[in-house]
Amino acid sequence: KNEVEQSPQNLTAQEGEFITINCSYSVGISALHWLQQHPGGGIVSLFMLSSGKKKHGRLIATINIQEKHSSLHITASHPRDSAVYICAVSPIYNTDKLIFGTGTRLQVFP
Amino acid sequence: AAGVIQSPRHLIKEKRETATLKCYPIPRHDTVYWYQQGPGQDPQFLISFYEKMQSDKGSIPDRFSAQQFSDYHSELNMSSLELGDSALYFCASSQRGGRGRDGYTFGSGTRLTVV
Repeated sequence: KNEVEQSPQNLTAQEGEFITINCSYSVGISALHWLQQHPGGGIVSLFMLSSGKKKHGRLIATINIQEKHSSLHITASHPRDSAVYICAVSPIYNTDKLIFGTGTRLQVFP
Repeated sequence: AAGVIQSPRHLIKEKRETATLKCYPIPRHDTVYWYQQGPGQDPQFLISFYEKMQSDKGSIPDRFSAQQFSDYHSELNMSSLELGDSALYFCASSQRGGRGRDGYTFGSGTRLTVV
């Protein structure tokens, strides 16, 4: 079993829809990261969370430390949001390391 | 703002050749991490450096080596290349352990194709 699991693996949406991507992890963490990877490979860090909730534009990330669960929400989705969204955690046993989830491939159609 | 710079962006090598990938972290970051991402795969941690010393080692083949220099840039040296080494290699930088305010910053990656 992977230490970080995401769902769904693939997601399609119509422009304007509200999107939720979930991440569950099984290790103690010092931080959780949501990353965006566009075709061609470049990775962009969206959020770093250790508690609560963060918002940036149309993106909202929440984390529940007790339940070891985080969600990434996209409001009013747009075709340019199409990308792979990756959840990664910094485990307490080695905070230098990132453990990556398998990613969620999102496609938003006009 | 300056980002993590990787060079080259694309590289094509033949089997058994060598390759050197470079990573320049953003200013203030003292830790560099290398990851390998095969087609359709999760990124796999290879190796990390903190203050020019290796801080952690993952699934890095013995044919690969890396180091961090006094200006904090890092180079990943890959020898006796195999077809299976074809992947996206990206690096990330942080202040020690990603605990700094900036978290991790990722480079755009070097796409290596071995033919």
